[in-house]
Amino acid sequence: DPKIIQKPKYLVAVTGSEKILICEQYLGHNAMYWYRQSAKKPLEFMFSYSYQKLMDNQTASSRFQPQSSKKNHLDLQITALKPDDSATYFCASSHPGEDTQYFGPGTRLLVL
Amino acid sequence: AQSVTQPDARVTVSEGASLQLRCKYSYSGTPYLFWYVQYPRQGLQLLLKYYSGDPVVQGVNGFEAEFIKSNSSFHLRKASVHWSDSAVYFCAVSAGTGYQNFYFGKGTSLTVIP
Repeated sequence: DPKIIQKPKYLVAVTGSEKILICEQYLGHNAMYWYRQSAKKPLEFMFSYSYQKLMDNQTASSRFQPQSSKKNHLDLQITALKPDDSATYFCASSHPGEDTQYFGPGTRLLVL
Repeated sequence: AQSVTQPDARVTVSEGASLQLRCKYSYSGTPYLFWYVQYPRQGLQLLLKYYSGDPVVQGVNGFEAEFIKSNSSFHLRKASVHWSDSAVYFCAVSAGTGYQNFYFGKGTSLTVIP
């Protein structure tokens, strides 16, 4: 059974619209993260959350807002979508203080 | 600046051949180093990691990597590849504690020809 679930797998959106990417983890972790992988670029760290609190925001604009309704959920709301937002978004989780992060399968977003 | 370079975007080898995937990093401080693998339509899976000790670290499925500090490298190796090893391999570096940013390379797409 998958331990980190990301929904949907694929998403097509129009410019200017708003979408929410879902991430749920069943590993019992308290730290969760979002990464983005754009075409021809490495995975880029976006956010880290621990115990449902924002710990770090590296590269994301205010159009990207994580939402944590439960400690094993970290959704990503993206507003005013732009074509440059097209990428695969990966969710990850870990135990706080541990060195290894575990990744979900990703959501591939295409903004037209 | 922290960065990871994987110079080979694509590698093709025959089944049974040996393999080396290259990774060089730039990191201030003591790095934690990782190799992840991504099979089609799946998430990244940890292959191995290194922080200290023996510079040759063993991972799953017969993979190993060698940390060479003087060269800032952490190349991944396997003595004999199988067609099921075809995947994308990512090298990453981090500070190693909880909320730390992972810096990833662009990945190397490995194709193993049966």
